[in-house]
This record gives sequence, C-alpha cells and structure tokens, in this order.
Amino acid sequence: RKEVEQDPGPFNVPEGATVAFNCTYSNSASQSFFWYRQDCRKEPKLLMSVYSSGNEDGRFTAQLNRASQYISLLIRDSKLSDSATYLCAPLFNKFYFGSGTKLNVKP
Amino acid sequence: EPEVTQTPSHQVTQMGQEVILRCVPISNHLYFYWYRQILGQKVEFLVSFYNNEISEKSEIFDDQFSVERPDGSNFTLKIRSTKLEDSAMYFCASRSPRGNTEAFFGQGTRLTVV
Repeated sequence: RKEVEQDPGPFNVPEGATVAFNCTYSNSASQSFFWYRQDCRKEPKLLMSVYSSGNEDGRFTAQLNRASQYISLLIRDSKLSDSATYLCAPLFNKFYFGSGTKLNVKP
Repeated sequence: EPEVTQTPSHQVTQMGQEVILRCVPISNHLYFYWYRQILGQKVEFLVSFYNNEISEKSEIFDDQFSVERPDGSNFTLKIRSTKLEDSAMYFCASRSPRGNTEAFFGQGTRLTVV
C-alpha cells in the first residue's frame, strides 16, 4: 500500500464551485497532518494544518479521521488562483507526500 | 518573514561530475530535509537531518549522496558522480523543533544532468 494516496485528478471546475479532495495514509503513527499547495515547477507551500476536530481557514476546510486514516480538504467558492496541485502530507519523522491532486479552476 | 533559501536556482552539469546544492534553513529550525521531484512526478523524500546527523534516508539516497551542515547556517547536498536520472528539482526544507510543526520549503534547485 502506498504511504499516501490521492486522486490525481485533474479536477476541472468553474469559478465559484465547491470542490473536495481526499487523501488516505498508511502510517497510523503519523503525528501531524498538513495540506500543501504546489504551483507548477514551484516549491510546496503550506496551505493549512489539519486537526482532528476539523479546522477552517476562510474558504478552506480540512478534516482528519484518524480511525479511517483519511484527510480531506474542501474548497468553497473556487477562484482562478486556486488552480494548483494539492498535496496532503502526514508527518511521521518526515513528511510523506502523495502524487497530489491537480485542480483547474475555469472562468 | 523568515524563509529557506537555496542556491543555485538552476545548475547544469555533465554526467559524472560532482554537484553541491546549498540551502540556508530558517535560523531557529533544527530539522532539515532534502526532497527531490522529477518533472511530472511526486515529491520524494531523500534524507532528514537532526542534531548534526542523518536521522533517516530513503533508498534513493545511496552512496553517491551526502549531506553536511558545515557551519551554523548552511545545509548542503552533494551528489558525487551525477547520472542523467539525477535530473530533477531538489527542495530543501526545515522545521522548527517545537512540536510536530509544518516544514518550510526553499524555492528549489533545478538540476539538469547532460
């Protein structure tokens, strides 16, 4: 089983749409969880941390289900500038990255 | 805002040559990482470094690779004899020692082996 699995997409959505990404991880001892955003040929940049209670940052909501080893990211009211690849990253001594989910937001 | 800086931004080298990629992590961070990303592929872990020693390395990080923290600020990745398949984007990252916090990435060095 891969350490981190994500639907690669691409997700093609119109501006204003709500889109959800899922991620499963295999290491049940993972300590912390993060969503990163990566633009083409750029470094990953932290989008938000993910807490068991769920957390929200503006249009972004992240959820963690430790029992199911599952992380989600919800983006509401998508903007053109949200177009990027979204990487979930559990931390267990090091950060594991999946292949990421590509989002294309169209006008 | 503190940031991780990497030099050079792009390096072209001939197969078989040695390269050194340089990174200056955020000053109060104590965990350091190198990752690489081959074009179109995922970000892959190479090595983690803590307390002046390697704490973990992947199977990619073979004898051709080494890391060093030669002074209090720099963190380097050396590839002794580059191969064509080493062509990739190499990212350095650092993390605070306080809890299980996020990593901050440098802008990367694009290595092209010809």
